[in-house]
Amino acid sequence: EVHLVESGGGLVQPGGSLRLSCAASGFTFSSYAMSWVRQTPGKGLEWVSVISGSGNTTYYADSVKGRFTISRDNSKSTLSLQMNSLRAEDTAIYYCAKTRKTIYSGSDHWGQGILVTVSS
Amino acid sequence: DIQMTQSPSSLSASVGDRVTITCRASRGINNYLAWYQQKPGKAPKLLIYAASTLRSGVPSRFSGSGSGTDFTLTISSLQPEDVAIYYCQKYNSVPWTFGQGTKVEIK
Repeated sequence: EVHLVESGGGLVQPGGSLRLSCAASGFTFSSYAMSWVRQTPGKGLEWVSVISGSGNTTYYADSVKGRFTISRDNSKSTLSLQMNSLRAEDTAIYYCAKTRKTIYSGSDHWGQGILVTVSS
Repeated sequence: DIQMTQSPSSLSASVGDRVTITCRASRGINNYLAWYQQKPGKAPKLLIYAASTLRSGVPSRFSGSGSGTDFTLTISSLQPEDVAIYYCQKYNSVPWTFGQGTKVEIK
């Protein structure tokens, strides 16, 4: 059974940094692209970033480009999101999601989400 | 970027009713479309991918259709457990884009 568990969220001041992690199990991690999607409380879903199974290809939403970095450690089945220069508008629940296979295949499993709050 | 527009934004229907949600892409996306269901306090759950392929384990009352720019999600007989927000998402290219969501309630 696929399990995705996010960690690393919390309260951070504007301009600060935070690193999210997602521990994956129940599937061959390196064979699947992985993504981060966020949701502002009470609002809709916003894609943040995606990384290929090998880690060689990454893409970012314009809203986080240059500030966030997605990475993965296939030896540890772990996905990460390094978030720098955080802004109030980055406040959201962040979900780790497994794709069906490639970057262009949609997400079939999601973690429970982790709250990131950017506030002074 | 391709925009995804869902309608209606909310609907209220009776148990047993047929419910249809539409999603329109601002440019063609072939069939690179997924539908998700999100219940309060929970993560989204994939219902349909490739516009019309029902994910294993999803009740057969859910169906999807469409290609190009116009897509629909149909619930053939609405059940109380279907109360949720439904999102479409295009994934043919980055950025992935979600529709704004359709809230489904029981009348």
